[in-house]
Amino acid sequence: VQLVESGGGLVQPGGSLRLSCAASGFTFSYYSMNWVRQAPGKGLEWVSYISGNSRTIYYADSVKGRFTVSRDNAKNSLYLQMNSLRDEDTAVYYCAREVGDDWGQGTLVTVSS
Amino acid sequence: DIQMTQSPSTLSASVGDRVTITCRASQSFSSWLAWYQQKPGKAPKLLIYKASSLQSGVPSRFSGSGSGTEFTLTISSLQPDDFATYYCQQYNSYPYTFGQGTKLEIK
Repeated sequence: VQLVESGGGLVQPGGSLRLSCAASGFTFSYYSMNWVRQAPGKGLEWVSYISGNSRTIYYADSVKGRFTVSRDNAKNSLYLQMNSLRDEDTAVYYCAREVGDDWGQGTLVTVSS
Repeated sequence: DIQMTQSPSTLSASVGDRVTITCRASQSFSSWLAWYQQKPGKAPKLLIYKASSLQSGVPSRFSGSGSGTEFTLTISSLQPDDFATYYCQQYNSYPYTFGQGTKLEIK
């Protein structure tokens, strides 16, 4: 199993960013996926969930209405579209399979002017 | 939302010690609780799922127990590689909330 995040970077407040998570080594469509983030020096915060068939989606209240999770099972990829970014969204963003039996290495998102 | 409170926040212990970390939930639920270990600059690693099931490849000195509102992670004999930060997470209902973490330090 391998999960590789990409798409992080520096963005100004109010800006947008799209994160990707490329999955390999397992049948991607069979598994739900989660995004979890960790602000610098802080604990873990669950962000979003998407079921294997994309029919069920959940968001943390802190990102609801601003972030959109999606997946492309044909491309074995998970996405997180982040709009209206705020300073407090600065964090390392991880994708995780199911309840967290496998995680990517994370991608850093920095929101700053 | 279910709030998860871990204690202690920091724990100082020596190699060979037996340590226990507690996670208390604001609402009762069955066994949908996981424990993770995280080292600086690394992704979390799943240790325990369903409150007491040991993830494949995790040493047997790690064990989990509990149900309802109180859950514990026990390390039976600390090894040098175990000094890290530990998190509990409930996955009974969304949002899947984490505890604030317990940093395990060398005494």
